[in-house]
Amino acid sequence: DTEVTQTPKHLVMGMTNKKSLKCEQHMGHRAMYWYKQKAKKPPELMFVYSYEKLSINESVPSRFSPECPNSSLLNLHLHALQPEDSALYLCASSQDGVGQGGSPLHFGNGTRLTVT
Amino acid sequence: AQKVTQAQTEISVVEKEDVTLDCVYETRDTTYYLFWYKQPPSGELVFLIRRNSFDEQNEISGRYSWNFQKSTSSFNFTITASQVVDSAVYFCALSRGFNKFYFGSGTKLNVKP
Repeated sequence: DTEVTQTPKHLVMGMTNKKSLKCEQHMGHRAMYWYKQKAKKPPELMFVYSYEKLSINESVPSRFSPECPNSSLLNLHLHALQPEDSALYLCASSQDGVGQGGSPLHFGNGTRLTVT
Repeated sequence: AQKVTQAQTEISVVEKEDVTLDCVYETRDTTYYLFWYKQPPSGELVFLIRRNSFDEQNEISGRYSWNFQKSTSSFNFTITASQVVDSAVYFCALSRGFNKFYFGSGTKLNVKP
């Protein structure tokens, strides 16, 4: 069983909708991530939170808004998305904060997002 | 600049065959970390192994083994006696330890019964 839990598993939304993706981990990890993965491609980094502060934003459009309410939770708020934003959105966590070592990523099962 | 190359896009084998997945990386850093992940059709990325740049020992875990060679900048992954459950996309990744991971393009492994 995965130790990183993502909800929902599937999401269909229109271009005018507002929705949120949620991610939770209880491993005490200090960094949390959002990745986007298109079919037959590797994951692309979107955001990294380290000690609940945003440390990396890979020039993601503002229609994606991350939030880290506490050390265990990570949200991704979605607004005015485009059909090309349809993808698998993966949350991950790692033990180390930024610059503190090479601990591996632990991924959740992902949310399959379809924008109509 | 960091780069990971997985030249094999797709590999098909028959069950019980051995198969090696290639990974070549580029970095100028002396300290770095290499990883392998498995992504089955269900979608979750499963962590398999981590190696740091100072540890060139090969590792074996059951039917899986990894060969890390700094001289050729390679970190290859071998599955012995493959099984249908090994069918997945496998990603090699590089990290400098600053929470940014550089993924290869992935190798899709098809194991046929």
